Formats: sequence, C-alpha cells, structure tokens
Amino acid sequence: QLVLTQSPSASASLGASVKLTCTLSSGHSSYAITWHQQQPEKGPRYLMKLNSDGTHNKGDGIPDRFSGSSSGAERYLTISSLQSEDEADYYCQTWGTGTWVFGGGTKLTVL
Amino acid sequence: QVQLVESGGDLVMPGGSLTLSCAASGFTFRDYYMSWIRQAPGKGLEWVSYMSISGNTIYYADSVKGRFTISRDNARNSLYLQMNSLRAEDTAVYYCARDLGDSSGPDYWGQGTLVTVSS
Repeated sequence: QLVLTQSPSASASLGASVKLTCTLSSGHSSYAITWHQQQPEKGPRYLMKLNSDGTHNKGDGIPDRFSGSSSGAERYLTISSLQSEDEADYYCQTWGTGTWVFGGGTKLTVL
Repeated sequence: QVQLVESGGDLVMPGGSLTLSCAASGFTFRDYYMSWIRQAPGKGLEWVSYMSISGNTIYYADSVKGRFTISRDNARNSLYLQMNSLRAEDTAVYYCARDLGDSSGPDYWGQGTLVTVSS
C-alpha cells in the first residue's frame, strides 16, 4: 500500500535551517513526490516536485531557500535562512495508478 | 496568472446534495488534468477525485466513490463536483487544483470552499 509518513511537528530558530522528511512505504522508494506549504488560514501552495534522484522542479516564485533532496525511500525538504512566514504546515504527496496520496503533514514552528 | 476560484460551499443536512464549482483562469484549462482535494477541520489533506483533459479518465477516493461525481466544461473553463448522500465526515474545505501533468499532483490550488454537513 502506498503511504507517505511525515513527522507531525518540527521546530527551528529564525535564520537557521530545517530539514523535513517524507518517507515512502516499502516497495515505493523510486516514486517522485511533491511538496506543498500551507500557511495558517490559507490554501496550500505548491513548492516543488522531487524525484528519486534528488532533482526537483520548483513552482513559480518559490525562493531559493527551499530545496529538495532524496535518499532511498526518504524525500527531504530543506528550508534555509528561516523566516517567520515559513511557519506553516508542510505536506508531501505522491501518486499511483488512479490514486493520489498525501502525507499527514508536518507543522513547522519558527522559534 | 493562474487563478482557481471555488464556490458553492454551504451548510447541508446529512443525506443531502451539493454541487461545487471551480472557475479557472490564467491558463489553457482544456490542456490540464484537474482535481478536487479536501481538508476536514483541523486535519490534513485528502485527495477526492481527478479528471483527465477529455474526461475519459476519472478516479475517486474510496471514501467518496459512488456518491461524488467530478465533471468539467472546457468551454466555460470550469470544474465541478456533484456531491450526493452527504455525511458528517464529508465536512471539509474543498480545494480545486490544477495538475502538474499526467495526473502526478497539484501545482496550483484554489482558496477553497467550506462544506458543512450537519443537522
């Protein structure tokens, strides 16, 4: 079964970097994913599509501070030079035949 | 720029019906797969349905299969979601989203419309 697992919460200080993780279920380590940001009281925003080889294509206007990488079944979103507006929920998403799957989301707190 | 504007959300009684609309602009609507995704209050994102360019390929989440119907009108640049036999657990903000390509995931989202199912 295709499942994405994310830690429920993460925190980091203003100006620091943070690396969020999305883990693909067994047998699906070659899958690409997408990352999305949802700021409080707003609709989600597409950040990037991240392939299994770590290459990624960012959405329009996404700052260079956001980058992606991959290792095995893990997909990462790294945010550098954290700003207050980065405090948000971050979701990963992938797809199979006739289905899309979202991870449970990680709530990022900027201290 | 790409804009997706949902409408039609409302308070509806259990067992009732509702149709959501999504007006698209800023891109060639007929060239993209489109989808609906929902978010229950305080919860994460849940994919609901997606539809191909021509409408030949349609998929639904198991939780809505047989009750919800996705459709599109390429001439009107609009996407729809007909929801029947609504349940309390369908209460959520419903988002319309444009697909990246080949039904791989969303790259643009609307702001959402709230559907509340309650007596």
